Amino acid sequence: GENVEQHPSTLSVQEGDSAVIKCTYSDSASNYFPWYKQELGKGPQLIIDIRSNVGEKKDQRIAVTLNKTAKHFSLHITETQPEDSAVYFCAATYNFNKFYFGSGTKLNVKP
Amino acid sequence: DVKVTQSSRYLVKRTGEKVFLECVQDMDHENMFWYRQDPGLGLRLIYFSYDVKMKEKGDIPEGYSVSREKKERFSLILESASTNQTSMYLCASSLFGGEQFFGPGTRLTVL
Repeated sequence: GENVEQHPSTLSVQEGDSAVIKCTYSDSASNYFPWYKQELGKGPQLIIDIRSNVGEKKDQRIAVTLNKTAKHFSLHITETQPEDSAVYFCAATYNFNKFYFGSGTKLNVKP
Repeated sequence: DVKVTQSSRYLVKRTGEKVFLECVQDMDHENMFWYRQDPGLGLRLIYFSYDVKMKEKGDIPEGYSVSREKKERFSLILESASTNQTSMYLCASSLFGGEQFFGPGTRLTVL
């Protein structure tokens, strides 16, 4: 089955700096890659996603890039704010039934 | 807004008890999922259902069963709870090919 690895496990940045979280996947059949943000006491919430026919997608301060050849995808957050502090998960799927998640990155944005 | 609700936020049970976790979604989604979330392991799929009375095993189904008698409701059953099932349990729903919406989670402690 698919194996998704996520790095780093914790990330601390100063407010206004950029943050990058990286994920690799093993199954070349995977074609959909969502990113979730989980705030304390809440379930994960989709923040951005990318499909395998696209190399990059942007939504205001967040962007995701996908390199199919190398089987990795990354989340980029620019101009970080304290409210960006949360746990972020990447995931991959090829059939929208089984989603394989990374182990999570705890992002701390220091004011 | 899609709403996914879970019957309990916190639950404490004893070893050997039968445990029911309930999940309800209000957006007529075909797909429903049960995950467990453990530190450093991300989210792991226990079972998913793509229609009423239809279910498929995820990656860690041992010790669990599920029931989907109505489209909006998906139940996770621990037949005989054990201490290694102490975890956060997350329910999610989606249209096929669409975004997953998560509930707030149930933190289960088995003593």
